[in-house]
Amino acid sequence: GAGVSQSPRYKVTKRGQDVALRCDPISGHVSLYWYRQALGQGPEFLTYFNYEAQQDKSGLPNDRFSAERPEGSISTLTIQRTEQRDSAMYRCASSLAPQSTDTQYFGPGTRLTVL
Amino acid sequence: EDKVVQSPLSLVVHEGDTVTLNCSYEVTNFRSLLWYKQEKKAPTFLFMLTSSGIEKKSGRLSSILDKKELFSILNITATQTGDSAVYLCAVWQGAEKLVFGQGTRLTINP
Repeated sequence: GAGVSQSPRYKVTKRGQDVALRCDPISGHVSLYWYRQALGQGPEFLTYFNYEAQQDKSGLPNDRFSAERPEGSISTLTIQRTEQRDSAMYRCASSLAPQSTDTQYFGPGTRLTVL
Repeated sequence: EDKVVQSPLSLVVHEGDTVTLNCSYEVTNFRSLLWYKQEKKAPTFLFMLTSSGIEKKSGRLSSILDKKELFSILNITATQTGDSAVYLCAVWQGAEKLVFGQGTRLTINP
């Protein structure tokens, strides 16, 4: 596709359930980033990948959060045993080169609501 | 071509000094400017600036945006060794594109 896509666009779940958020980056982009963005704030890094290798996961809030990119393309962010405080917009971005300062192209985000 | 330029690229000062980091930009469809602090790998969000002339402040850090002259500054007063990091400026262009500067590597010596 032409841009980064994410699915689902909206997810409502009950506390304690697991959720999986999907990101499909721009074809050929090496780096993929996951962010959490609160309203009116900038995106907060969660983790990122170069190809299939997770470069850094120190931004993940706790061990209920995990991410994978097994084939260096599509990535999944999984949140286990969701809590209400996990409610947020989760955004994915990709960039052509494996540099954190390369221009990043964002997907539309997944709005997660935990009841 | 969209670009974000930070200066200086590197800065070494003594603890207690005040520093000013600069970020200039040329992007179409400007939406907002963001500052991040990167100590290890994952940058930490500091500020998002959308309006000109309104200072954002957090402790010893402050930042302001000038949309007429197309630049922003990040000030750090009474610097501490823990302020040592790479400071990244990024400009949000439209809804989907975040253009980063090269970063300023700040070193605070005790």
